[in-house]
Amino acid sequence: KAGVTQTPRYLIKTRGQQVTLSCSPISGHRSVSWYQQTPGQGLQFLFEYFSETQRNKGNFPGRFSGRQFSNSRSEMNVSTLELGDSALYLCASSLTGDILHFGPGTRLTVT
Amino acid sequence: KQEVTQIPAALSVPEGENLVLNCSFTDSAIYNLQWFRQDPGKGLTSLLLIQSSQREQTSGRLNASLDKSSGRSTLYIAASQPGDSATYLCAVIGNAGKSTFGDGTTLTVKP
Repeated sequence: KAGVTQTPRYLIKTRGQQVTLSCSPISGHRSVSWYQQTPGQGLQFLFEYFSETQRNKGNFPGRFSGRQFSNSRSEMNVSTLELGDSALYLCASSLTGDILHFGPGTRLTVT
Repeated sequence: KQEVTQIPAALSVPEGENLVLNCSFTDSAIYNLQWFRQDPGKGLTSLLLIQSSQREQTSGRLNASLDKSSGRSTLYIAASQPGDSATYLCAVIGNAGKSTFGDGTTLTVKP
């Protein structure tokens, strides 16, 4: 089976812009969760989707949003980018949310 | 709110040593506990998964244990090698796909 894929792998944006990141889970997996990793804050949970429904959400501002499509692919959107949003964004897929399989991540740099 | 702590934050050992990494969590109502390895700038690679009903799991030179009642897990690495150098993260997986990660232990194995 193909692993979790994330696109794009690298992204440079300017403060104030918005960005959309994509995650394609392992075939058959219905859960996709998103994480932000920064040197100062470590790996923090953003949200989790299961069968197109958001089941859980971390403590991030409303500028961070996501969705999941009927084929389980998920997108994460960040609006009005700030310098502090520069991070490695990781997604993980799972059959039901119990065992995580991570993608390679998207490195976002906000200038 | 689940909190996960990993000790030590960094560890440097000579090749061939056996070592133990520690992970503690505050809420024992967990679904699974998963250990990951992360190389610099990369995604997370799953090492071992321990379900809440299990006490330990083994894979090659790795052994992970779980004591839910005391809120602790350990990752034991036998006969360490330079290729084991990486950051090791533990993740506590709760219901509905919410995961909480520790800040990791950065391991350096010197030849």
